[in-house]
Amino acid sequence: DAGVTQSPTHLIKTRGQQVTLRCSPKSGHDTVSWYQQALGQGPQFIFQYYEEEERQRGNFPDRFSGHQFPNYSSELNVNALLLGDSALYLCASSVDPISGNTIYFGEGSWLTVV
Amino acid sequence: SQKIEQNSEALNIQEGKTATLTCNYTNYSPAYLQWYRQDPGRGPVFLLLIRENEKEKRKERLKVTFDTTLKQSLFHITASQPADSATYLCALTDSGYSTLTFGKGTMLLVSP
Repeated sequence: DAGVTQSPTHLIKTRGQQVTLRCSPKSGHDTVSWYQQALGQGPQFIFQYYEEEERQRGNFPDRFSGHQFPNYSSELNVNALLLGDSALYLCASSVDPISGNTIYFGEGSWLTVV
Repeated sequence: SQKIEQNSEALNIQEGKTATLTCNYTNYSPAYLQWYRQDPGRGPVFLLLIRENEKEKRKERLKVTFDTTLKQSLFHITASQPADSATYLCALTDSGYSTLTFGKGTMLLVSP
């Protein structure tokens, strides 16, 4: 049973560019959340998708957007990249609606903005 | 604003000893508290979840306590091994949509 898979694993972008990161949740999971983890920090919640809708959002600007597809996979898009967007982007999946279910993380996508 | 604090310094212990990591929080009433392990360059791996009405939870060599009065959780690894060396993250969840609020993590180094 594949866990949460993310792509690409590493990428380098230039300031001002746009990036799309992809996530396939664990089999049977219908809820996908995205987190940003800067070096030396804990992950920070960006947003959560359930039934193809953004259900909850953290304190991130509108440059960060996402999408969830009918097969529950998800994309994270970041526009107008800034140097400060360099981080590990983590996708997490779970079964909803019961909070307290185990949340599984992917290995992340390392984004470097130069 | 919500704040979660974990041991800011790395914790160095000898193999076989018990490691104790601390997680304190303020301005939060979590329904659940979770502990994750994260190895360098990898995603967090779920270890244990404890509910607000539980005082203690165990899993093999791991033990978590949760004191909602003190707003504190302690995470213990007994008979520690060098393979336990990693960063351990504390995360809180409210009773809503299972979004996690993380601390910065504590790096644990177990020496042979």
